[in-house]
Amino acid sequence: EDKVVQSPLSLVVHEGDTVTLNCSYEVTNFRSLLWYKQEKKAPTFLFMLTSSGIEKKSGRLSSILDKKELFSILNITATQTGDSAVYLCAVGRGSQGNLIFGKGTKLSVKP
Amino acid sequence: EAGVTQFPSHSVIEKGQTVTLRCDPISGHDNLYWYRRVMGKEIKFLLHFVKESKQDESGMPNNRFLAERTGGTYSTLKVQPAELEDSGVYFCASSPRPGGVNTGELFFGEGSRLTVL
Repeated sequence: EDKVVQSPLSLVVHEGDTVTLNCSYEVTNFRSLLWYKQEKKAPTFLFMLTSSGIEKKSGRLSSILDKKELFSILNITATQTGDSAVYLCAVGRGSQGNLIFGKGTKLSVKP
Repeated sequence: EAGVTQFPSHSVIEKGQTVTLRCDPISGHDNLYWYRRVMGKEIKFLLHFVKESKQDESGMPNNRFLAERTGGTYSTLKVQPAELEDSGVYFCASSPRPGGVNTGELFFGEGSRLTVL
C-alpha cells in the first residue's frame, strides 16, 4: 500500500533555530513530491520536487528530494514565530492521480 | 479572485442524521477534489470530479457518502446516515488542469469540520 511517512510529528523550537523536517515515501508510479504549509485551515503550496538532488529554495525555506532513498527534507533556517504551522508532505502519482499525504509535522516556534 | 470556499465551517450532528457539505471551487477550475482528515490520521483522497463527471471515486469510504457536481460548478458531499467514524475535516480542492495535483496547482479550501455525536 502506498504511504508517506513524516517525522517528527511535532517539534518545538525557539526563534532563530534551524529545523529539518523529514518525509519518506513508498509509492507506485511516483510523479512528484509536494510540501504544503497549513497555518490555520487551508494548506498552501510550498514546493514541488520531481528530480533528485536539485534544491528548491524560497527565502529561508529549502527542500530537496532523493529518489534513490525515497525521501525528502524541508529545511527552515532562522525560524520565526510565523513559521509555526503544520507542514504536510504529499506525493503525486500518475498524470492526474490523487495525492498521498503524510500525517504532517506540527512545528511550534517560540519567541 | 476568490479562493475555494466551503460551507459550513463546522457541523455537529448526531449519529444517524444527514449532513451536506458544499464546496465552491475557484471559477474556471474544472477539476475538483474532496479529501478528508480523520483525527490522528493523514489527509486522504475521496474523489475527483472533472467538470460534472466523477473521474475517480476510489477513495469514497462506502455508499453512505454521495458526491455531486451538477452543472460542473459547485459540489456537494452528503453523508447519510452519519456514523461516529465520519467525524473529521473534509477538504475541497480545485485545480485548473488534471495534472495540477502533481505540480502544486491544487488550491485547498479551509475545510468543513464534521463532528458526529
